[in-house]
Amino acid sequence: DTEVTQTPKHLVMGMTNKKSLKCEQHMGHRAMYWYKQKAKKPPELMFVYSYEKLSINESVPSRFSPECPNSSLLNLHLHALQPEDSALYLCASSQGDGKNEKLFFGSGTQLSVL
Amino acid sequence: AQSVTQPDIHITVSEGASLELRCNYSYGATPYLFWYVQSPGQGLQLLLKYFSGDTLVQGIKGFEAEFKRSQSSFNLRKPSVHWSDAAEYFCAVGGVYNFNKFYFGSGTKLNVKP
Repeated sequence: DTEVTQTPKHLVMGMTNKKSLKCEQHMGHRAMYWYKQKAKKPPELMFVYSYEKLSINESVPSRFSPECPNSSLLNLHLHALQPEDSALYLCASSQGDGKNEKLFFGSGTQLSVL
Repeated sequence: AQSVTQPDIHITVSEGASLELRCNYSYGATPYLFWYVQSPGQGLQLLLKYFSGDTLVQGIKGFEAEFKRSQSSFNLRKPSVHWSDAAEYFCAVGGVYNFNKFYFGSGTKLNVKP
């Protein structure tokens, strides 16, 4: 199994809503990532969890709250988002041991904030 | 700081023609190098990677890339393009000092003419 599964595939939310994005992998990877990708742009790193601990936060606004309940799951909790937060949110994982790391991506959640 | 440059924003080739997508990086040591492909609204799929050793690496879907240290380049090639290769292609650099940080180029959009 070399898949990273993200749900939902599409999400529309208002600026006062609270929603969550979910990501799951069963490759035994110990590093998991959230990336944000705007149209026609490269992915931008948001958060990295390494061995279930938050290791990198790229100065992301607090309206985005990551959570790593266990080594296979990664969530991104969304609250009071702005229309400019509309983007494709990509989850990725990697082995996490620092040896020849490479990213495996999910298919993303297309988020629209109204 | 690490950076990766893809000088071509758009490239159009005819089906059956050869393809070369350019990628240059800026880093003091030899980085990990990757090429990813992305179809619209989808996640990124790893085409190939270079960690060390043989500078010509083979990937999936008939793609190959050559690492040239003297030119700080990692160009992607394919001898005969198929219409299904139309997509966005991202070159990426993996951090050596921080193995959880990957830097993406701005992408090259490949169009394939019938």
